[in-house]
Amino acid sequence: KAGVTQTPRYLIKTRGQQVTLSCSPISGHRSVSWYQQTPGQGLQFLFEYFSETQRNKGNFPGRFSGRQFSNSRSEMNVSTLELGDSALYLCASSPDGSQDYGYTFGSGTRLTVV
Amino acid sequence: LAKTTQPISMDSYEGQEVNITCSHNNIATNDYITWYQQFPSQGPRFIIQGYKTKVTNEVASLFIPADRKSSTLSLPRVSLSDTAVYYCLVAPQGAAGNKLTFGGGTRVLVKP
Repeated sequence: KAGVTQTPRYLIKTRGQQVTLSCSPISGHRSVSWYQQTPGQGLQFLFEYFSETQRNKGNFPGRFSGRQFSNSRSEMNVSTLELGDSALYLCASSPDGSQDYGYTFGSGTRLTVV
Repeated sequence: LAKTTQPISMDSYEGQEVNITCSHNNIATNDYITWYQQFPSQGPRFIIQGYKTKVTNEVASLFIPADRKSSTLSLPRVSLSDTAVYYCLVAPQGAAGNKLTFGGGTRVLVKP
């Protein structure tokens, strides 16, 4: 079966711009979570969506937002980009959000802010 | 969620067995232990999960002592392609919602 698909794979943006990243989970999975990975902070949880509702949220400013569609695809938006937002953004899908059988991650979107 | 402590890095050679120990002193009764593997510029990949004693799959073994305050991931006969970062996570099964906390992980370097 197809894995988790994240688009685009690479993105270069200028400070102050906004960006939208997309994640298509495994078919049948209803939970999509987003993570930010940087060399300094490691993997940090951003938020989780389940059945189009945000269920959990990490400690990130309001510039980071997301949504989930009825087909479970999710988008993440970052507004007013800062240099520190440069990171690998990963999404993970699971059937119900529990970690009973592990989460399946996508390959990520590498965002560079210049 | 229980905090975990792992070594920052480990070196090994092809064909050897690699054992990575993770400490989780404040693990709760309903917590499970999960290990993920991550290659550069890719997302983490689920390796193995367990609750107590020993779990084995085609990739690795997980050893968990009776007090469950630590766990050891064992990678048999590693190859160069096993060079990656390995994360240990502790979280309850069936938990509503994903808010997994990844620690710093252990960077394993397999040398020829």
